[in-house]
This record gives sequence, structure tokens and C-alpha cells, in this order.
Amino acid sequence: DAKTTQPTSMDCAEGRAANLPCNHSTISGNEYVYWYRQIHSQGPQYIIHGLKNNETNEMASLIITEDRKSSTLILPHATLRDTAVYYCIVRVRNTGNQFYFGTGTSLTVIP
Amino acid sequence: SQTIHQWPATLVQPVGSPLSLECTVEGTSNPNLYWYRQAAGRGLQLLFYSVGIGQISSEVPQNLSASRPQDRQFILSSKKLLLSDSGFYLCAWSYGQFNQPQHFGDGTRLSIL
Repeated sequence: DAKTTQPTSMDCAEGRAANLPCNHSTISGNEYVYWYRQIHSQGPQYIIHGLKNNETNEMASLIITEDRKSSTLILPHATLRDTAVYYCIVRVRNTGNQFYFGTGTSLTVIP
Repeated sequence: SQTIHQWPATLVQPVGSPLSLECTVEGTSNPNLYWYRQAAGRGLQLLFYSVGIGQISSEVPQNLSASRPQDRQFILSSKKLLLSDSGFYLCAWSYGQFNQPQHFGDGTRLSIL
């Protein structure tokens, strides 16, 4: 079962930063937060993940609050190709290390 | 580098027909493997996962089954398809360690007529 809540949809102007929030108030101390995105009719693409420290890679930054109950994915300079559904996932720690996807946030980058 | 292949990309099947979707991973050994289904306009639903050859765990009761005959091969099957089996089927792999991401294939779009 998904352990995260995200806004259903968001808009962002092209070239501006896109800040996508996620609440995961029931996260356990050793569970990671993952972000994926899915462009229509494609498989989800891994973006970034973290435990408690902020993370940055070539795609995005992940800011996790100190109490770990929420996080924000930041796309620093959104382009039209960033239009997608973004999923925030807390991974269940068990034998299979499964992901449980919610319905995500549909981000539309506006020219 | 690791790659994951799924086929076919699209499939149209009549109700009551059998199904076999195949997924293979290259460039790694003993991966965790996963099958997901995505209904139109919905999020991903985990169907099966496997941590090794012959080891299959089912997440939801359904008309489908999975098998892992080889280390890097994962097969999704059905004996008799239902209309409700339509959807976008995705295979994914990950390393066994807990903090490793899953990597997805390009999916199979299955339409049942």
C-alpha cells in the first residue's frame, strides 16, 4: 500500500524551478524515499532517492525534512520534456524490497 | 551496463485466450524482478516479485501467474484472459540490497477484445 500523498497535478513555467511536494508521515527510520517519473506510455524512470540527507544528481535535487515526514523534489530549470507524472515512493523493507506506487503528481510544464 | 527487455510492445488478445509476456535482464546476476500492471489513468500496481529462480511472491489474487525459469528471465502468464486484464504491464529489476532503485522496461500494452 502506498505510504505517500502527493498533489494530483501541478503546473510550472518553462525555465523555472519545479517543486514537487510529498508527505510520508508514517515513514520508518530506515525507509528510503524514491522519486520516479513516467512519461505517457513509457516505463517509469528513476530520478533520485534518499534517506535523511538532501541529495542532488544531474536530474534533480531531493530535500527531506529533518523529521523525514515530507520531502520535495526540485527540478531546477524545468523544460517541456519534464512534463510527466512524478511518483514519490517509500520503499517497504522486507524480503522483496517492493515499491508501492501511488497515483503521483501530473506535472505540466508550460511554455 | 544493465538493460531490461520486454516483449511484445503491444498485444491484442481475445477474451479466454492464453497469455505469455517475457522479460529479460542483461548485465547483472541474481536481480530482484518485478511485474506491475497499470490500468488507464491509474498508478502502478505490483503483481509479482521474485528474489531468485523459482521464487515467486504474489501481491494480489488474480487471473495471472508468474514464473522465473532462469536467473534473468521473468514470465507473466495467464491460461484464460479476462477483459479486466487489459492494461500496461511493466517489468522491473533491482539489486537485492534495500537501498537500490528499481529499473523499468518499456512495457507491454495489452488490449483484450
